[in-house]
Amino acid sequence: ILNVEQSPQSLHVQEGDSTNFTCSFPSSNFYALHWYRWETAKSPEALFVMTLNGDEKKKGRISATLNTKEGYSYLYIKGSQPEDSATYLCAFTNPGGGADGLTFGKGTHLIIQP
Amino acid sequence: NAGVTQTPKFRVLKTGQSMTLLCAQDMNHEYMYWYRQDPGMGLRLIHYSVGEGTTAKGEVPDGYNVSRLKKQNFLLGLESAAPSQTSVYFCASSYPLEGGRTEAFFGQGTRLTVV
Repeated sequence: ILNVEQSPQSLHVQEGDSTNFTCSFPSSNFYALHWYRWETAKSPEALFVMTLNGDEKKKGRISATLNTKEGYSYLYIKGSQPEDSATYLCAFTNPGGGADGLTFGKGTHLIIQP
Repeated sequence: NAGVTQTPKFRVLKTGQSMTLLCAQDMNHEYMYWYRQDPGMGLRLIHYSVGEGTTAKGEVPDGYNVSRLKKQNFLLGLESAAPSQTSVYFCASSYPLEGGRTEAFFGQGTRLTVV
């Protein structure tokens, strides 16, 4: 069983502040690392898929970096807004190349306080 | 666009009852998955399918069966429900990308309570 760890488990951030959190994953047999955004009562939605060491992805105020050699990825949110409140999941493509699914971390629950 | 649709959205079962959760996708995806989500546990893979007529076990398959008779549908069955199967169940589908990557699209979830 693969081990995907996310930290912190939860995070309270003041509106307007920037924040970041971490996903660590096995560095061997790497295929891809995914970030999902999961709002309460909705289904997880894909933010980024990253495959190459050093990859950086950006979508609006949210960005992510990837280090496959040391097995970690950071998700950054700049100028947090209340609508950023959600659980952010990272997931590791299983060594079978993705057909056998993703292994998810437990998520970072982000609460933006006005 | 419908995407991935799960039925039902909510269900309460008595211990020992059986039921089937239906997942339907209209994106012509080859791969389909059933996950369960429990507090503090994240999403855990129950069973998956890499194509019509094929199924395989995931991380937590015990107590569940699945079938993929049609490409667009993936059914999850509980033959004899137990309180430990109280959870939120998510179906997902995906397609292969270059380099062995895949991106999963999720349904809205089914909240199941076994009393």
